[in-house]
Amino acid sequence: SYEVIQPLSVSVALGQTARITCGGNNIGYKNVHWYQQRPGQAPVLVMYRDNKRPPGIPERFSGSNSGNTATLTISGAQSGDEADYCCQVWDTSRVVFGGGTKLTVL
Amino acid sequence: QVQLQQWGAGLLKPSETLSLTCAVYGGSLSGNYWNWIRQPPGKGLEWIGEINDSGNYNNNPSLKSRVTIAVDTSKNQFSLKMSSVTAADTAMYFCARGLAGTGSAFDIWGQGTLVTVSS
Repeated sequence: SYEVIQPLSVSVALGQTARITCGGNNIGYKNVHWYQQRPGQAPVLVMYRDNKRPPGIPERFSGSNSGNTATLTISGAQSGDEADYCCQVWDTSRVVFGGGTKLTVL
Repeated sequence: QVQLQQWGAGLLKPSETLSLTCAVYGGSLSGNYWNWIRQPPGKGLEWIGEINDSGNYNNNPSLKSRVTIAVDTSKNQFSLKMSSVTAADTAMYFCARGLAGTGSAFDIWGQGTLVTVSS
């Protein structure tokens, strides 16, 4: 079955650029979605179909997907961006989630 | 604005059946798939399954034999039943809308229901 791999944690200095990756075999051929989840809350969709921002998501959030890696990029990281981020794909009639990456803003 | 509100029993004994319902407010069931997703404490998200207003569904193969997802269009609700629960089924359970045309991007989520399985 298809798997997607994320780093357990990423750290970024306040105001700098954070990049969170999601790896999978030929993931570039799939639609990748990204969620932000703060403790005790439901996930929030922050990027869909690789690089589309839902309404209300700041332009600081962007996405890309090519080859074996999809990337969520957060420019000008703010303290409020500190959260868990999870990627998701659809493969062979099922949804696959990555394990999630904890973003720490220093 | 579409909102999801979910409810169900939060404490179960091993071997019992988990039962959750999710109501859709501010919109209809048609045109999208409606999903159940869970998250064990301190762990990642796990997709359980989805259904549309016609009753077409897909389930996670790892849970398929224990899971039933149903839709009630007259009440604008969909539901989850999971039989023979064990401690491994302890998790926060979410309902979510799979946005049409996106390859199942979950754009709207319920508030979550914590289900604990303990004897």
